Amino acid sequence: ETGVTQTPRHLVMGMTNKKSLKCEQHLGHNAMYWYKQSAKKPLELMFVYNFKEQTENNSVPSRFSPECPNSSHLFLHLHTLQPEDSALYLCASSQWQAERGDSPLHFGNGTRLTVT
Amino acid sequence: AQKITQTQPGMFVQEKEAVTLDCTYDTSDQSYGLFWYKQPSSGEMIFLIYQGSYDEQNATEGRYSLNFQKARKSANLVISASQLGDSAMYFCAMSPEYGNKLVFGAGTILRVKS
Repeated sequence: ETGVTQTPRHLVMGMTNKKSLKCEQHLGHNAMYWYKQSAKKPLELMFVYNFKEQTENNSVPSRFSPECPNSSHLFLHLHTLQPEDSALYLCASSQWQAERGDSPLHFGNGTRLTVT
Repeated sequence: AQKITQTQPGMFVQEKEAVTLDCTYDTSDQSYGLFWYKQPSSGEMIFLIYQGSYDEQNATEGRYSLNFQKARKSANLVISASQLGDSAMYFCAMSPEYGNKLVFGAGTILRVKS
């Protein structure tokens, strides 16, 4: 399997549920990202991991908890979400570059999350 | 802070014609990168083309070309010979001088008519 794979593709959860989104990349990259895409808003960067270490948390509420056990896997643990958290959550990977980042991000198909 | 502006919410183009999608940016970095992505209805973001701020030649990738005007801070995407499969959302994005954390514009929906 190649590229970036996200599971599940669709998820419906109640506000009291706990669920996790999974992302796996087969590109040999060393950086992974979570983005949130809401209707009528630009993609919002949530978290960045470089070599398994979190290097960016873009003021994301604590009800979103990322985990990166190795450079190929990234999780987003969800608990006590709100209806406004309903969105498409996109995972991406790239080669990390300290300067002049010209390595494109490769995205997965996303998880369409609906919070009821 | 970096900012990307895409002023065209939606565009229509006739099949086989060329279309230009606008993108302007704002940054104080001396070195940066500019990207275009395509997002079909399936949701996947597909990388199309990259332009470095110090690249003198405009980037081209098949039917895609990037019209880079540094003084105007614009990086417009030109799609030649449009195809029905080009119908999608298109995003312009920028990477900073250090690292490759991308900032995205709001996107432009392109519809190709037969």
